[in-house]
Amino acid sequence: DTGVSQNPRHKITKRGQNVTFRCDPISEHNRLYWYRQTLGQGPEFLTYFQNEAQLEKSRLLSDRFSAERPKGSFSTLEIQRTEQGDSAMYLCASSLGASGVETQYFGPGTRLLVL
Amino acid sequence: DAKTTQPPSMDCAEGRAANLPCNHSTISGNEYVYWYRQIHSQGPQYIIHGLKNNETNEMASLIITEDRKSSTLILPHATLRDTAVYYCIVRVRSGNTPLVFGKGTRLSVIA
Repeated sequence: DTGVSQNPRHKITKRGQNVTFRCDPISEHNRLYWYRQTLGQGPEFLTYFQNEAQLEKSRLLSDRFSAERPKGSFSTLEIQRTEQGDSAMYLCASSLGASGVETQYFGPGTRLLVL
Repeated sequence: DAKTTQPPSMDCAEGRAANLPCNHSTISGNEYVYWYRQIHSQGPQYIIHGLKNNETNEMASLIITEDRKSSTLILPHATLRDTAVYYCIVRVRSGNTPLVFGKGTRLSVIA
């Protein structure tokens, strides 16, 4: 499968614990996005990388959240000291940024439940 | 905030065409109309996009009005597997901007 992959698919944790999610984009896609989706809502943008550079962060990304893309390939999203309000689906998307119209392709998501 | 307005839900009989409307009255000249759909518990799936001309691919057709203030996504022969939330999004051409999702339209295809 050459699509975007995310691991784990599901995560249950206790409040106060740290969690880390991984996203593997489509090969050669230089742009990578993280979104969060809560029940009944559309996805909301969190942050965006072009290659290894983190170029934009949403105000939703509190200081407990950190994302990296160290070699411009896979990315990780870490949440420290999780809270019940962090329970959501975390989605990753990738795209090939070039001249012209860019289409983002999404992974299956990681569903986080904070108890 | 999303720049689009969609009905919250629609039903469609299996085998019939599903026509999903979207209003984007404040769209700018450099903004495209994108459609994604999200089947339960999966990530959003890209369907189609367009600027001002009608577009068709293997999944759907996109009809954009001449004034570009609204569009319709057409699934020509809906199947039960097309049951999903459909999102209409406007986005600038020069790519590196996030997608801004609204609440979309929940399409239920009924046997």
